Amino acid sequence: AQSVTQLGSHVSVSEGALVLLRCNYSSSVPPYLFWYVQYPNQGLQLLLKYTSAATLVKGINGFEAEFKKSETSFHLTKPSAHMSDAAEYFCAVSAQGSGGSNYKLTFGKGTLLTVNP
Amino acid sequence: KAGVTQTPRYLIKTRGQQVTLSCSPISGHRSVSWYQQTPGQGLQFLFEYFSETQRNKGNFPGRFSGRQFSNSRSEMNVSTLELGDSALYLCASSSGQGSYDTQYFGPGTRLTVL
Repeated sequence: AQSVTQLGSHVSVSEGALVLLRCNYSSSVPPYLFWYVQYPNQGLQLLLKYTSAATLVKGINGFEAEFKKSETSFHLTKPSAHMSDAAEYFCAVSAQGSGGSNYKLTFGKGTLLTVNP
Repeated sequence: KAGVTQTPRYLIKTRGQQVTLSCSPISGHRSVSWYQQTPGQGLQFLFEYFSETQRNKGNFPGRFSGRQFSNSRSEMNVSTLELGDSALYLCASSSGQGSYDTQYFGPGTRLTVL
């Protein structure tokens, strides 16, 4: 079974400041990890994903995340926040089950990012 | 390439009724997954279909069902609606080759049960 914990349901930063959104996962098998963003009244858009090729993953809109197995973490960062980054962010895990792929994403509760001018 | 489309975008129903939601995946994608999003429970997996077969199912009551057609389009049905079924229902499509696949989400159907 897999689970995801996102620390902080709401993060507020100033425009130009560092964005750090935290994600810790639990998985009994090697995980695949994803970050999605959701703007109001829209579906989810993939920011980046980790599939074991490289521990530092670069995504769209200047976001990146680092997979740390020892810490079971996959935190999302962006060096300089922009007003357009204000949205809700979801970390998700998918894993190869013992009987094969389970073909589902398990999501964290989400972190609402507010960017102040 | 057109994205995932969901119809209708908004629905209002009353308790006890049933509802059918539709999802058209990205062209070439054979896997369709459904998720329920609520403020209290967050995003929860309902089920996943690949080539008309359900491969995985979440922990929802039997009132929630789905199917997939030969053209990969999918529908989900909720019977005997309850107030707690009010949610945003999201559909996602992927190639379905593995758990590492990116799932591409549609805009969702907002269901309100009165």
